Amino acid sequence: DTGVSQDPRHKITKRGQNVTFRCDPISEHNRLYWYRQTLGQGPEFLTYFQNEAQLEKSRLLSDRFSAERPKGSFSTLEIQRTEQGDSAMYLCASSRPDGRNEKLFFGSGTQLSVL
Amino acid sequence: AQTVTQSQPEMSVQEAETVTLSCTYDTSESDYYLFWYKQPPSRQMILVIRQEAYKQQNATENRFSVNFQKAAKSFSLKISDSQLGDAAMYFCAYRSATSGTYKYIFGTGTRLKVLA
Repeated sequence: DTGVSQDPRHKITKRGQNVTFRCDPISEHNRLYWYRQTLGQGPEFLTYFQNEAQLEKSRLLSDRFSAERPKGSFSTLEIQRTEQGDSAMYLCASSRPDGRNEKLFFGSGTQLSVL
Repeated sequence: AQTVTQSQPEMSVQEAETVTLSCTYDTSESDYYLFWYKQPPSRQMILVIRQEAYKQQNATENRFSVNFQKAAKSFSLKISDSQLGDAAMYFCAYRSATSGTYKYIFGTGTRLKVLA
């Protein structure tokens, strides 16, 4: 396993701009998750995919957020019209269905700063 | 809705000593998984240990063990022989095994400091 890869590692943007993050899960992991983490807090669930299907999306997630996983491999998370409150670490994780042994593997995250 | 609570924002332990991190959760389900994740300063989270709710035996992984009290909805992590490399944020997490969702719910974390 090469690990979950996220790009970019850091992103600085101005308020009102759109940003897109990419996540490449571990090969053969068909579940992919996006979480948001602010300083001193735990990861907050945003959405997850099983293959290309987006199965669940947080009710707290603004319409400005959209995620895709078009071919069931990598995923993108887009934030439109960014706000200062969007500043956070965006974490991607993946897992392979393994019955009761399923484990979640995290990437290093994308740190977003909205000025 | 399920919730996970970690009431200790920060803990300290002397190197080679033992420390216990607390976690409580709320759920109406009977079958679920519980996890402890470690997030070192580099920020990549890694799994420390997992527990299946239907198993009464507490999970252990080398120096890490849990005290799972299902009736009390308590899931604490014990770290024995603490090492400097154990310093990190520790997150408790919950995932349902029956509701058809694979969402993981995390607590707010406990920062562990290891004193030399």
